[in-house]
Amino acid sequence: QVQLVESGGGLVNPGGSLRLSCAASGFTFSDYYMSWIRQAPGKGLEWVSYISNIGNTMYYADSVRGRFTISRDNAKNSLFLQMDSLRAEDTAVYYCARARYSSGYYDDYWGQGTLVTVSS
Amino acid sequence: QSVLTQPPSVSGAPGQRVTISCTGSSSNIGARYDVHWYQQLPGTAPKLLIYGNANRPSGVPDRFSGSKSDTSASLAITGLQAEDEADYYCQSYDSSLSGWVFGGGTKLTVL
Repeated sequence: QVQLVESGGGLVNPGGSLRLSCAASGFTFSDYYMSWIRQAPGKGLEWVSYISNIGNTMYYADSVRGRFTISRDNAKNSLFLQMDSLRAEDTAVYYCARARYSSGYYDDYWGQGTLVTVSS
Repeated sequence: QSVLTQPPSVSGAPGQRVTISCTGSSSNIGARYDVHWYQQLPGTAPKLLIYGNANRPSGVPDRFSGSKSDTSASLAITGLQAEDEADYYCQSYDSSLSGWVFGGGTKLTVL
């Protein structure tokens, strides 16, 4: 069965960096676009980034463009999110998800999430 | 303020039917981008409920249905059950933002 397991979250100072990872299993990872979505404490969902199946096309939300970088390693069935210049408003649970297409992308399987807290 | 507008809360008694609206604009739902719905049970990750406006993934009961018209979409839940108590989110693509957007979420309470 499809499994997505995020790791790498934690407490970081404002202006600091963090790298999230997502280990995928149960499907042919290199066939699918992948995404990161976040949810601030007590708030709704916010799309962060998508990456194409071969990693040559990336999309970012305006709120993270220029600070976050999505990447993947298809040989290791892994998805990454490099987060730099972190701000308090980046505090959230970060979910990785498998993307599908239907006149726009949607996410059919989600991981359990990893919490990122940006605070001094 | 979310690009897609949902009511903050809805409620219904067991067995009843409820609907959750998702109102967009000409740059997202009205531009014929599909709408997708997610269910988030308390303390858990979101789960895909409806994709492509009206399609249910395998395993989702047919009590859940989706529809779309002009610049809005709706999620209907019939035969309401206590286990349906959750937050529900709609999602689509917005061409003005060149990105994917979620509604603000609707909390469903089963009375």
